[in-house]
Amino acid sequence: DSGVTQTPKHLITATGQRVTLRCSPRSGDLSVYWYQQSLDQGLQFLIQYYNGEERAKGNILERFSAQQFPDLHSELNLSSLELGDSALYFCASSGTSGGVSYTQYFGPGTRLTVL
Amino acid sequence: AQSVTQLGSHVSVSEGALVLLRCNYSSSVPPYLFWYVQYPNQGLQLLLKYTTGATLVKGINGFEAEFKKSETSFHLTKPSAHMSDAAEYFCAVSGMDSSYKLIFGSGTRLLVRP
Repeated sequence: DSGVTQTPKHLITATGQRVTLRCSPRSGDLSVYWYQQSLDQGLQFLIQYYNGEERAKGNILERFSAQQFPDLHSELNLSSLELGDSALYFCASSGTSGGVSYTQYFGPGTRLTVL
Repeated sequence: AQSVTQLGSHVSVSEGALVLLRCNYSSSVPPYLFWYVQYPNQGLQLLLKYTTGATLVKGINGFEAEFKKSETSFHLTKPSAHMSDAAEYFCAVSGMDSSYKLIFGSGTRLLVRP
C-alpha cells in the first residue's frame, strides 16, 4: 500500500459525458501528479500540482482539467468524453527532501471506460 | 528532452534464471532514474531508484540496477527469477525540470516459465 488513494476504482460512462476522478496523496506530500496509461500512448504525464498550485503541464487535453484543494487532495475532471479517453488514470504523490521532490508513489488507478 | 527506451516489450525466462531488463535513457542533465513494477490490475510500485551517489542500487524483491553514465543505461537485474516476478516493468527518468515529472519507457512484460 503506497498510501495514495484514488476513487472510484472503475468508471463506465458514455461519450460526451463528464467525470471526476479523485486522489488523496500520502500524508504530508504536497505534490500530486496525474498520469494516463493507455495501450497506444503508454504512460504519459498529464499535470502536476504543488501545494494547491499548478506546477507543470504535459500532454493534457483542453477538455481535461485538474485542481488541488487546501486539504491537498486533487481532482481530475474529464469532459466531453470520447472513446479514446478510455484508459487507466493514475495519481502519484511526492514529498520533499532538501527542497527536492523526486520520488513518486502511485495510487491504484481509476479505470475509465467510455462507451 | 528526456526519453527512455526499453529494449524488448516481452522477456521470457525460466524460474531460477537471471532476469535482465534493459533501459537506456537520454538526458541533457544528470538524471534521476527509476524502475517501477505493475502487477495485473494494480498500480505502479517503486522497485528502486537512482538519484545520486552509489551507482549500484538495490531495490525490493531482490532486484538491483546499475547506473552507467558512459552507456546511458540503467538495466534491471535479478539473479534468480521467481514465478511471482511475472509483471510489467517500467523504467522512468526525471529531473529535467523542477516538476520532476516522470518520463516512462514503453514497458517490458516479464514472463517466468516454470
